[in-house]
Amino acid sequence: QQQVKQSPQSLIVQKGGISIINCAYENTAFDYFPWYQQFPGKGPALLIAIRPDVSEKKEGRFTISFNKSAKQFSLHIMDSQPGDSATYFCAGYSGGSNYKLTFGKGTLLTVNP
Amino acid sequence: DAGITQSPRHKVTETGTPVTLRCHQTENHRYMYWYRQDPGHGLRLIHYSYGVKDTDKGEVSDGYSVSRSKTEDFLLTLESATSSQTSVYFCAISGTGIEKLFFGSGTQLSVL
Repeated sequence: QQQVKQSPQSLIVQKGGISIINCAYENTAFDYFPWYQQFPGKGPALLIAIRPDVSEKKEGRFTISFNKSAKQFSLHIMDSQPGDSATYFCAGYSGGSNYKLTFGKGTLLTVNP
Repeated sequence: DAGITQSPRHKVTETGTPVTLRCHQTENHRYMYWYRQDPGHGLRLIHYSYGVKDTDKGEVSDGYSVSRSKTEDFLLTLESATSSQTSVYFCAISGTGIEKLFFGSGTQLSVL
């Protein structure tokens, strides 16, 4: 049973555009929702994260929007740059689970110059 | 990569042979994890450890075993490798909370 559904699988955006990646979760016990960024040949690295007590979190050009009632959250990348080209994973975590994350399947983002 | 070393970085092996992947950390973190990454499946947890000699299964543990005899090393063993275990394997560590989960650079394993 997939507990975090991520879409789209791949995304192509022009430089300067907005990239949007969506995730939906099933486990209502999740209380931490991170996004990881992965460049080719590297391991995933934490990009930004949100807890369900807020509806939005912004860090530079990256924003998470969170909708608790719909059990959905999304990553917005403003003014997308070619250097943002990477695979992005959303994830969910429920406290007390030994820090085990449940990941979405990933989105390959390509930003064309 | 936050003091995480995975070895080997690349390995090619034959079906039916045993394979051991090593994750070494210098952060003295309590928690260590093995994930596999496959196209269309994302990252899936194989096994994890919450202390020396304390391990538990993840969602795709069949065909894998792990051992942790000291804090810094977490070994993943494929007892008899199969082609379905061709994947990129990532080790991760966490010490002070879920916000501090760090991944290694991965091991590309090909089982022919």
